[in-house]
Amino acid sequence: GENVEQHPSTLSVQEGDSAVIKCTYSDSASNYFPWYKQELGKRPQLIIDIRSNVGEKKDQRIAVTLNKTAKHFSLHITETQPEDSAVYFCAASPRGSTLGRLYFGRGTQLTVWP
Amino acid sequence: DTGVSQNPRHKITKRGQNVTFRCDPISEHNRLYWYRQTLGQGPEFLTYFQNEAQLEKSRLLSDRFSAERPKGSFSTLEIQRTEQGDSAMYLCASSSIYEQYFGPGTRLTVT
Repeated sequence: GENVEQHPSTLSVQEGDSAVIKCTYSDSASNYFPWYKQELGKRPQLIIDIRSNVGEKKDQRIAVTLNKTAKHFSLHITETQPEDSAVYFCAASPRGSTLGRLYFGRGTQLTVWP
Repeated sequence: DTGVSQNPRHKITKRGQNVTFRCDPISEHNRLYWYRQTLGQGPEFLTYFQNEAQLEKSRLLSDRFSAERPKGSFSTLEIQRTEQGDSAMYLCASSSIYEQYFGPGTRLTVT
């Protein structure tokens, strides 16, 4: 099955700095890559996603890039704020909408210091 | 609230007991998923329904686990003869096409 690796496991940045989280996947058939934010004790919240026919997608301070050849994708958060502090999970779906099963990375604990 | 809901939010049970969790998806979503999450890990897929049909089951889902979605709306996940290793957060998600939206989860503690 699909294997998703996520780095780093923890990331600390100063407010206003940028944060980058990277993920790699193993199954070249994967074609849907969402990112989730999970605050302590809360549900995973979908913050952005990208499909394999797109190389980059941006939504305000958040962007995701995808390199299909290298089988890696990254989350970029600019102008970080303390409320961005949370655990971020990347995921991959091997067959897109056909089945929709998601394989998740192990998460990155992001801490933004004021 | 039109999001995914789950009940109960917390369940404490003794080893060997049976437990059942319920998930109510977003009303127009025909796809429903169950995941399990343990501390420090990402959610792990358990099973998936499209309407009332259970289309995929993970090898994590032992014979003690069963899930149903009888009318293609809400779903139940039952764990029989619970073990301490079953302690985890059980998450439900629903989708129409790609985007999966999660419920708040049921935290199971097996003592």
